[in-house]
Amino acid sequence: SQQGEEDPQALSIQEGENATMNCSYKTSINNLQWYRQNSGRGLVHLILIRSNEREKHSGRLRVTLDTSKKSSSLLITASRAADTASYFCATDSWGKLQFGAGTQVVVTP
Amino acid sequence: EAGVAQSPRYKIIEKRQSVAFWCNPISGHATLYWYQQILGQGPKLLIQFQNNGVVDDSQLPKDRFSAERLKGVDSTLKIQPAKLEDSAVYLCASSLPSSLTGELFFGEGSRLTVL
Repeated sequence: SQQGEEDPQALSIQEGENATMNCSYKTSINNLQWYRQNSGRGLVHLILIRSNEREKHSGRLRVTLDTSKKSSSLLITASRAADTASYFCATDSWGKLQFGAGTQVVVTP
Repeated sequence: EAGVAQSPRYKIIEKRQSVAFWCNPISGHATLYWYQQILGQGPKLLIQFQNNGVVDDSQLPKDRFSAERLKGVDSTLKIQPAKLEDSAVYLCASSLPSSLTGELFFGEGSRLTVL
C-alpha cells in the first residue's frame, strides 16, 4: 500500500515558470522526503522535512509541511528543462519509508 | 564516492523462469532496501536489511521472492518462478544506520520483463 498521494499526477509548464505539487498522507509521520526520478534512472533525494518543521528551502526548492492537514507541498521556482522528471514524496513512519505514485513534470523550453 | 551498484540493468525472461538481481550498497551503509517499481507507480518496499538481519519483509511475496545479504554487504534478490505481474524495475537503496529513516541512496535499478 502507498501512504502518500501526489497531486497533480502530471504537470506541464514552460521554462522559467514555477511548479507546485502536493502530497497528502494518512498516518502520523516522523519526516517526509521528496525524491526526483529521471526517466530510466534511480531516485535522487531532494529534501527532507521533519514533523516539527513547517518549511524548508534548498536552492530553488521550497517544501512545506502541514501535519494538521497531513499534507506537504514541493515548489520548484524558475524551472528549467533539466527539471523534467517524476517527483515522489515519501513518508517515514517509525523507520518505514513509503512512496506515493508521483507527479510527472515536463518543462518545455 | 561510488554509488549503489546494481546488475543486471535489464533482464527478459519467460514466465515460470527464475531471475536474480545483485546489489552492492555504498560502503559503510548498514541499511539496505529492495523496492519494486511497477510502471507508472511509486516504489514499493519489498525488504529492508539492517546489516545482515531482516528488519521488514512484510510486503515480500515469500512464495516466490527471496533475498539475502550475506556478510552485511552485498545483497541478492531472487524471483522463482516469475509471473507476468513481476515485470517491474527492482531498485536497491542504502542508507546510514539511524533510528529515523534518513536519506536513501538509490541504484539505477534492474528492469525485469516477464513474457
